[in-house]
Amino acid sequence: DGGITQSPKYLFRKEGQNVTLSCEQNLNHDAMYWYRQDPGQGLRLIYYSQIVNDFQKGDIAEGYSVSREKKESFPLTVTSAQKNPTAFYLCASSPPWGDSNQPQHFGDGTRLSIL
Amino acid sequence: GNSVTQMEGPVTLSEEAFLTINCTYTATGYPSLFWYVQYPGEGLQLLLKATKADDKGSNKGFEATYRKETTSFHLEKGSVQVSDSAVYFCAAYGGATNKLIFGTGTLLAVQP
Repeated sequence: DGGITQSPKYLFRKEGQNVTLSCEQNLNHDAMYWYRQDPGQGLRLIYYSQIVNDFQKGDIAEGYSVSREKKESFPLTVTSAQKNPTAFYLCASSPPWGDSNQPQHFGDGTRLSIL
Repeated sequence: GNSVTQMEGPVTLSEEAFLTINCTYTATGYPSLFWYVQYPGEGLQLLLKATKADDKGSNKGFEATYRKETTSFHLEKGSVQVSDSAVYFCAAYGGATNKLIFGTGTLLAVQP
């Protein structure tokens, strides 16, 4: 079955450390997204990528970085510059960018905590 | 830009009760509208969608109708089950921003 795989499910980070969250999809989707979810808030867009080797900042990109070297992979790095990284991170994908009829498909998320 | 407002939770119901979760949106143009459901510890799953005015999305007994005149997309179910306990997100996509904008989510707790 096609889907989106996020790993690890739980991740712990020490102060001053960078960590990378993995997101892989086998849906052959062009567009991929990273969201952050905090309690009592909706999802906020961190970065998105419309196509391989291209990505754009979302609403809260500061302290994060991404790469899109392969169509199926869109890893997110949470850098030490992100002062409040504790959150639930969700990766999503969709067939084409800009097609409002195509819903986004989500992975099961990674919960990041600070030690 | 687009924005989505949904009723705050938690919503606590007894099994077989009628459910309504309100959702309204503001947008330029005519966005597509979605309801997503998130079960504990999981990602979001698409529940239903509507892409133009007066469309009704339905799935698993849930329904929502795209009302342009009231800019609403309320989620309803006639008889909820304990297994429906989850967080429900309303979302709008398209218009000027071309991004998927989420409401803050509504926690539904169904008691036996």
